[in-house]
Amino acid sequence: IAGITQAPTSQILAAGRRMTLRCTQDMRHNAMYWYRQDLGLGLRLIHYSNTAGTTGKGEVPDGYSVSRANTDDFPLTLASAVPSQTSVYFCASSETSGSEYEQFFGPGTRLTVL
Amino acid sequence: GQNIDQPTEMTATEGAIVQINCTYQTSGFNGLFWYQQHAGEAPTFLSYNVLDGLEEKGRFSSFLSRSKGYSYLLLKELQMKDSASYLCAVRVHILTGGGNKLTFGTGTQLKVEL
Repeated sequence: IAGITQAPTSQILAAGRRMTLRCTQDMRHNAMYWYRQDLGLGLRLIHYSNTAGTTGKGEVPDGYSVSRANTDDFPLTLASAVPSQTSVYFCASSETSGSEYEQFFGPGTRLTVL
Repeated sequence: GQNIDQPTEMTATEGAIVQINCTYQTSGFNGLFWYQQHAGEAPTFLSYNVLDGLEEKGRFSSFLSRSKGYSYLLLKELQMKDSASYLCAVRVHILTGGGNKLTFGTGTQLKVEL
């Protein structure tokens, strides 16, 4: 059981370039999330999706877009990368029914924008 | 919006007990989570509280007081491997579009010493 996978593991990107971070889960979770984690700021929600076909903006959505064509995949796209988008990006998923339904996190993508 | 506060760092001795506090101010409260994150790794779920009181899971316990906007994570019989960042996260309802989202504190870095 893989859980959640993210690709690439790390990437160095020139400013202005387009980049898509991939996220795939095999737990058939309805909800998926993208976070960025920066020193001193903690995890901040970028975008989320409650179910396939729907997406929503989180706390820091500017400069990012997402799509949710199916249950398993939730790619995050940086249309034109800027240095302030240098961060560690985590994808997560969860059930949407039941009481706990904690979020499960992928291993992360370390992105450096120069 | 949400405001979550937790100490930046703590140090404790192997075999001891440590309590990590978290205070929050939020609307639409729908549960409080604690996650553990080792350096360079993804957060992993530790505990969940939605009702007032104490939840115990082996060496880890978590307490919630909704009226006070307060939670703590209690770690007993500390081990060196418990050195990690501990993240407090509040789940709230998303008013538009439905579903829930987590807002994370900046984390408490715990160092366990001999």
